Amino acid sequence: EAQVTQNPRYLITVTGKKLTVTCSQNMNHEYMSWYRQDPGLGLRQIYYSMNVEVTDKGDVPEGYKVSRKEKRNFPLILESPSPNQTSLYFCASSFRDSNTEAFFGQGTRLTVV
Amino acid sequence: LAKTTQPISMDSYEGQEVNITCSHNNIATNDYITWYQQFPSQGPRFIIQGYKTKVTNEVASLFIPADRKSSTLSLPRVSLSDTAVYYCLVGAWGYQKVTFGTGTKLQVIP
Repeated sequence: EAQVTQNPRYLITVTGKKLTVTCSQNMNHEYMSWYRQDPGLGLRQIYYSMNVEVTDKGDVPEGYKVSRKEKRNFPLILESPSPNQTSLYFCASSFRDSNTEAFFGQGTRLTVV
Repeated sequence: LAKTTQPISMDSYEGQEVNITCSHNNIATNDYITWYQQFPSQGPRFIIQGYKTKVTNEVASLFIPADRKSSTLSLPRVSLSDTAVYYCLVGAWGYQKVTFGTGTKLQVIP
């Protein structure tokens, strides 16, 4: 089954404790990206990657890191989480094409206390 | 992706047809128009995509006029389970940063 898998689904952590949210896709997609969603602010892109070893900033990259060492995986790293990074996070993947669709993961609800 | 404008919210009674219009004046020649549906706390899900005229699938229709500067998502006979936020995106996914608009929050009333 074609899917984008995020882990964990829920995470409560403390300020400053490094964490990684994993994202994996099984569709051989070139393009992967991370979004955060906050009430009243909609979906905002954090980082995106057009292929292995190619990453670029989205609209809200501060406080986040990503890496794309393999095509299927695109982890989101918070090296020193802060309470303002409490949010719902989504990973997505797609082919690089004009008439393609994006597939989204189930979401990771992160709380930083 | 091209900038899009949609109504912030809409209400509809169950069983009615709902039409949500999206404006995208700066659409480029190669751009496709794609609609996504999002339920609370879930990732957006692809509904339908089109380039011109009309596209229909099992859940929706998409109407695109000749100038392609707008598009209308049509949901026939909505039910309570269609209550969601609907996003219109225009452009080639996978080549650039993606900016979602506000989307249209559809509330279906019994």
